[in-house]
Amino acid sequence: QKEVEQDPGPLSVPEGAIVSLNCTYSNSAFQYFMWYRQYSRKGPELLMYTYSSGNKEDGRFTAQVDKSSKYISLFIRDSQPSDSATYLCAMRAGGGNKLTFGTGTQLKVEL
Amino acid sequence: EAGVAQSPRYKIIEKRQSVAFWCNPISGHATLYWYQQILGQGPKLLIQFQNNGVVDDSQLPKDRFSAERLKGVDSTLKIQPAKLEDSAVYLCASSWRGGADTQYFGPGTRLTVL
Repeated sequence: QKEVEQDPGPLSVPEGAIVSLNCTYSNSAFQYFMWYRQYSRKGPELLMYTYSSGNKEDGRFTAQVDKSSKYISLFIRDSQPSDSATYLCAMRAGGGNKLTFGTGTQLKVEL
Repeated sequence: EAGVAQSPRYKIIEKRQSVAFWCNPISGHATLYWYQQILGQGPKLLIQFQNNGVVDDSQLPKDRFSAERLKGVDSTLKIQPAKLEDSAVYLCASSWRGGADTQYFGPGTRLTVL
């Protein structure tokens, strides 16, 4: 079993839809949770960063962490074609340096 | 502020050949990372440097991969000899000090081994 599981997609939605992206994990030591966005032929860029359980909102993006279920989500409201990219979840244990990434979910927002 | 620079952007080689990648991190960033991203997978950490010292190289295949960060700035990653399964994007990232600091990624080098 992989430490971090993520549905690879592809996920195709119409413009304006609410998108839900999810990851599950098995390592209970993970305390820091991140979402990266990766456009084609580019490096990943940090989108959201949360610590422990709870919600964090930034514009159209909301990150949720449920440590009891070992489940994290990223919601995108009013999705735009420019949101079309691969979204990677990443996690880190408290006090550790190493990021463990999911496989990424490919999202396409269509006009 | 300039981002993380990598070169070359693309490289095609035959198996058993050698190849080297170069990374220039964001100015002032003490920590530098090399990741391997195979198609359809998330990045996997190969090696982490803090200044010019190695912090973590537990997932670096040391029989064929080597990396150095002389003078604590630029870094090179070398593969010798390359295998077909080394085909991947090699990403370099840097952060201010490591730990919880945000990692900023370069555009990557896409390696194809034939």
